[in-house]
Amino acid sequence: GAVVSQHPSRVICKSGTSVKIECRSLDFQATTMFWYRQFPKQSLMLMATSNEGSKATYEQGVEKDKFLINHASLTLSTLTVTSAHPEDSSFYICSAPGPTAFTDTQYFGPGTRLTVL
Amino acid sequence: AQSVTQLDSHVSVSEGTPVLLRCNYSSSYSPSLFWYVQHPNKGLQLLLKYTSAATLVKGINGFEAEFKKSETSFHLTKPSAHMSDAAEYFCVVSDGGYNKLIFGAGTRLAVHP
Repeated sequence: GAVVSQHPSRVICKSGTSVKIECRSLDFQATTMFWYRQFPKQSLMLMATSNEGSKATYEQGVEKDKFLINHASLTLSTLTVTSAHPEDSSFYICSAPGPTAFTDTQYFGPGTRLTVL
Repeated sequence: AQSVTQLDSHVSVSEGTPVLLRCNYSSSYSPSLFWYVQHPNKGLQLLLKYTSAATLVKGINGFEAEFKKSETSFHLTKPSAHMSDAAEYFCVVSDGGYNKLIFGAGTRLAVHP
């Protein structure tokens, strides 16, 4: 089946540093990927839509200069949290629509837990 | 604008008893609806989906959901809970393009022996 991976699964960084999170579709191509964040005991909130070969589309209220998204290839999207601060600590999850026969289903990565000290 | 409301933040059942997780949606057109489950430290897994075919949808692990347009509901049920069903469940609506998903607040299901 369609598998989406994320790396790293956990990261701890100091305030002011930048952190890159990778999202890969392992056995299918994804021209579009989605990035969500989830605060403890809360639901997932869509941050942005990552588009291969073009700029990402950000949801209202999400700072595009803080959360840099690059869709480098048909199987890789990266989210870089720039100048991270403690309030950026969260669980970041990516997803991708499935391969051709399953494009009506999103497949989710296992998530990356970011802790900013 | 589309939205989903999960009516219960926590549901607790005994093992072997029925499960009911309630979800109401709001949509200006025929929606696509999903239920996802999130186990601790694991990725979201699709339980089932409704995409304008049969109104009673059967999913994995014995779960099913019924789309009721007149009630704008998509409740998730299971006849007999298992300990392994303890997790967070999300009702989700799609914006119609099967891409942007809007998540409900989630329902935490606890299953007691």
